[in-house]
Amino acid sequence: DTEVTQTPKHLVMGMTNKKSLKCEQHMGHRAMYWYKQKAKKPPELMFVYSYEKLSINESVPSRFSPECPNSSLLNLHLHALQPEDSALYLCASSLRGLAGGLETQYFGPGTRLLVL
Amino acid sequence: DAKTTQPNSMESNEEEPVHLPCNHSTISGTDYIHWYRQLPSQGPEYVIHGLTSNVNNRMASLAIAEDRKSSTLILHRATLRDAAVYYCIRLPSNTGKLIFGQGTTLQVKP
Repeated sequence: DTEVTQTPKHLVMGMTNKKSLKCEQHMGHRAMYWYKQKAKKPPELMFVYSYEKLSINESVPSRFSPECPNSSLLNLHLHALQPEDSALYLCASSLRGLAGGLETQYFGPGTRLLVL
Repeated sequence: DAKTTQPNSMESNEEEPVHLPCNHSTISGTDYIHWYRQLPSQGPEYVIHGLTSNVNNRMASLAIAEDRKSSTLILHRATLRDAAVYYCIRLPSNTGKLIFGQGTTLQVKP
């Protein structure tokens, strides 16, 4: 099973709402990633978890709060978002992370978020 | 990544080879070169990677210039299913951080 699943596929939320994005993998990977992708732009790294510990935070605003409850699951909690946060949010996983240039990252299909 | 440049778009005919170029003139000696592609409505998927030597796999070939300032992804026989955005990526060693170029949109004509 080389699949990364993400739920929901689509999400519409108001600026005062609290919502969560979920990502799951069962490949035994110990590194998981959140990326943000705006239309016609490449993905931008937001967070990296390695062995359930946050190892990289790319200066993301605190209205985005990641959580890694176990090695298979990654959440992104959203609160008080702005319309400019509307984007495709991609989750990825890899075997170990921070392990050099040899690892392949496996991406999920993403959650398309619209903030009104 | 401002240090990695790719053409915005390219066209190819079906069943013909495609050469997708990438310039990474300021690449560090320990940065790996990865290529991923993103089909419509999907997340990126791995294509190939290398450090110094040319590489082949079932999907593509990667030709890396001797000075490592550029590389070329080669699809030997393009199919309609190869239409996607192709990203040239630097991956600094020991970081796990994919640093994406702006991507080349490949259109394949039947």
